[in-house]
Amino acid sequence: AQSVTQLGSHVSVSEGALVLLRCNYSSSVPPYLFWYVQYPNQGLQLLLKYTSAATLVKGINGFEAEFKKSETSFHLTKPSAHMSDAAEYFCAVTIYNQGGKLIFGQGTELSVKP
Amino acid sequence: AAGVIQSPRHLIKEKRETATLKCYPIPRHDTVYWYQQGPGQDPQFLISFYEKMQSDKGSIPDRFSAQQFSDYHSELNMSSLELGDSALYFCASSADRGGNEQFFGPGTRLTVL
Repeated sequence: AQSVTQLGSHVSVSEGALVLLRCNYSSSVPPYLFWYVQYPNQGLQLLLKYTSAATLVKGINGFEAEFKKSETSFHLTKPSAHMSDAAEYFCAVTIYNQGGKLIFGQGTELSVKP
Repeated sequence: AAGVIQSPRHLIKEKRETATLKCYPIPRHDTVYWYQQGPGQDPQFLISFYEKMQSDKGSIPDRFSAQQFSDYHSELNMSSLELGDSALYFCASSADRGGNEQFFGPGTRLTVL
């Protein structure tokens, strides 16, 4: 079975500071990994995805993530935080060709201080 | 670009009532997924459909049922509603049930009183 653990339910950074949201996965087979962002009372928007191609993945809004198999990690980073980045972030895993259902982590709420 | 449409966006029901949530996938997407997100929780997979057949089943209560119709829209039927069913229900659609990418709708917020 697959699972995802997000370290830190709440992360607070200053505007312009580095954003680092941590995600570790567990899977017996090579996974597909995703980061989604959720703004209050809205749906989930895909930030980026890893589907076994390049290990460094660039997404929207300046975010990127690196797949590290040896560390079973897929941390999300952004060099400089904007106020508009404040939201809930979910890491998710699925296994290719097994129906596609997503298993989500517990979420990390990102706050950005002026 | 067309997105996933869910209706209604908000729904208020009493305990023991029934509710029907609808999902219209992106055109030419043949796979639909339903997720339930409780307050302060991560989304939990309920059920999925591919080409109008149930594809996978998660932690969906027996009181809930769902189907996908010939036009690929899907409906989630919920009976004997309980207070604990209050949640945000997301539908997502995909053109690739291999797991490449899912596009989420805005969700239906169900409140059970």
